Amino acid sequence: QKEVEQNSGPLSVPEGAIASLNCTYSDRGSQSFFWYRQYSGKSPELIMSIYSNGDKEDGRFTAQLNKASQYVSLLIRDSQPSDSATYLCAVTRIGFQKLVFGTGTRLLVSP
Amino acid sequence: GAVVSQHPSRVICKSGTSVKIECRSLDFQATTMFWYRQFPKKSLMLMATSNEGSKATYEQGVEKDKFLINHASLTLSTLTVTSAHPEDSSFYICSAAGQQGGEQFFGPGTRLTVL
Repeated sequence: QKEVEQNSGPLSVPEGAIASLNCTYSDRGSQSFFWYRQYSGKSPELIMSIYSNGDKEDGRFTAQLNKASQYVSLLIRDSQPSDSATYLCAVTRIGFQKLVFGTGTRLLVSP
Repeated sequence: GAVVSQHPSRVICKSGTSVKIECRSLDFQATTMFWYRQFPKKSLMLMATSNEGSKATYEQGVEKDKFLINHASLTLSTLTVTSAHPEDSSFYICSAAGQQGGEQFFGPGTRLTVL
């Protein structure tokens, strides 16, 4: 079982729709959770961080964390073609700084 | 978010030469910096973790004598690829974190091509 799992996609949504990206993790000792966006040929860009159960909203993005079920999700409202990228879920464990990445979900937003 | 810079953004060198890549945190003090490598259409691969003033911790399979890391200050880390070979051609990316468990911010990356 991989430490952090994501569906590789592609996830295709029409412009204006809600894109829902999911991630599960295996280590219950995980303490910090992050979503990064990576455009092709570019480095990852931090979109959201979440540390406690519940929802966290920032503009069009909402991160959701459920530690009991060991999943974290990212919702993108009013999806735009410019949101087309690979979205990486990453976690850190208590006492560690290393990010453990999922393989990423490729999102395609069609005009 | 915080800003991390890398220099150079692109470098082409001959086989056998050494290349130094700089990573700087511009607006915060980075207690820890990380170096990654990414091949086309592949996942990020962590190469090493470095803390200011101490030796870097390398991931399994990464040659520490080939990839020299120096974390000279809380805002600067360097990666030197020694005796580069064509198989070292890759996208090298650094990241920086201000505190344990906190957010990591990535630099824009350095694309290395070894001829």
